[in-house]
Amino acid sequence: EPEVTQTPSHQVTQMGQEVILRCVPISNHLYFYWYRQILGQKVEFLVSFYNNEISEKSEIFDDQFSVERPDGSNFTLKIRSTKLEDSAMYFCASSEVRRPGQSYEQYFGPGTRLTVT
Amino acid sequence: AQTVTQSQPEMSVQEAETVTLSCTYDTSESNYYLFWYKQPPSRQMILVIRQEAYKQQNATENRFSVNFQKAAKSFSLKISDSQLGDTAMYFCAFTYKITGNQFYFGTGTSLTVIP
Repeated sequence: EPEVTQTPSHQVTQMGQEVILRCVPISNHLYFYWYRQILGQKVEFLVSFYNNEISEKSEIFDDQFSVERPDGSNFTLKIRSTKLEDSAMYFCASSEVRRPGQSYEQYFGPGTRLTVT
Repeated sequence: AQTVTQSQPEMSVQEAETVTLSCTYDTSESNYYLFWYKQPPSRQMILVIRQEAYKQQNATENRFSVNFQKAAKSFSLKISDSQLGDTAMYFCAFTYKITGNQFYFGTGTSLTVIP
């Protein structure tokens, strides 16, 4: 069964450094998402992406964050200058194009644990 | 604002027994979708069961079923005949938007199935 994959599984970086988290969505999916989960807190929506542009973003997704689909398979989340509070698990997800009556299921990757020191 | 609340951070159940995980949500929308996702240790979240708000019948998937009470905005998950492989974090999630399809999650319930 197709799966969303993410790399790396764990990333350690120093405060102020740039990080890029990578995701390979399911191949026939056209909607892509990033979520994060700070330890002990809720999974929070960051951004959704469709047709090579941001569809929606949360207030968490400020100018330090950016997303890109650099080729036909990868979907990346970049944090330009990491802060201690960016330490979290980051989940990528993808879903099919919505059709009337279609369920709104998202398929999640295993996550990247980002530790900012 | 949309919120999802899971009031049970941890639960345990004996193997072969039944357990119910609670979830409540708040929304002013009339049409929406509810989900339960399971996240085994060190594994990705996988969909357990989904419920469309416009359907009155409770969804079932093998040993998993929901009790959807729309008026009470409650969406509990019942796991029957619990198995060791059911040990995981369970997340309740909600979505309604036509575009962007943002999911709103609860904080999760950690379920341990005891042999």
